[in-house]
Amino acid sequence: KAGVTQTPRYLIKTRGQQVTLSCSPISGHRSVSWYQQTPGQGLQFLFEYFSETQRNKGNFPGRFSGRQFSNSRSEMNVSTLELGDSALYLCASSSGASGRVFETQYFGPGTRLLVL
Amino acid sequence: DAKTTQPNSMESNEEEPVHLPCNHSTISGTDYIHWYRQLPSQGPEYVIHGLTSNVNNRMASLAIAEDRKSSTLILHRATLRDAAVYYCILSASNTGNQFYFGTGTSLTVIP
Repeated sequence: KAGVTQTPRYLIKTRGQQVTLSCSPISGHRSVSWYQQTPGQGLQFLFEYFSETQRNKGNFPGRFSGRQFSNSRSEMNVSTLELGDSALYLCASSSGASGRVFETQYFGPGTRLLVL
Repeated sequence: DAKTTQPNSMESNEEEPVHLPCNHSTISGTDYIHWYRQLPSQGPEYVIHGLTSNVNNRMASLAIAEDRKSSTLILHRATLRDAAVYYCILSASNTGNQFYFGTGTSLTVIP
């Protein structure tokens, strides 16, 4: 099976702009989670989507949002970009078959966002 | 948030065993212990997980203390490809896929 793919891989934006990142999970996987990775804060959970519904949400401001489509592909959007949003954004997919019990997560290579 | 504590960095000689420790003193009875690693310029990848008993797979072994307040990831023979940041993670049964990553241990393998 093909792995998790994320597009674009690199992105440069300026403060105040908005950005949309895309994640295609492994075929058959229904859960997609998003993480932000920065040198200062490490890996932080943003949110998880399962069957087009947000199932869990981390502690990020409302500028960070996401959605999931019927084919399980997911997008995350960051509005009114700030310099501190510069980070590697990772998505991870899992099958979703076992419901609320954890599952092995398969991570994509990430999208590196630079905000100038 | 479930918290884990790991040493910032460790070194190992190639082909020697490596023991990577993790403290999780606030673990609850239903929290699972996961280990993921992140190679340079890649997303994290699954290594192993456990609940109460020691676990083995083709990549590593996981030794869990009897009181579950600590665990140790064991790489039996370190190779240069094992150089990565290793994360010890707890997940609660009611928030399954919501992982809280600690700062991780950066493992250097010396040839």
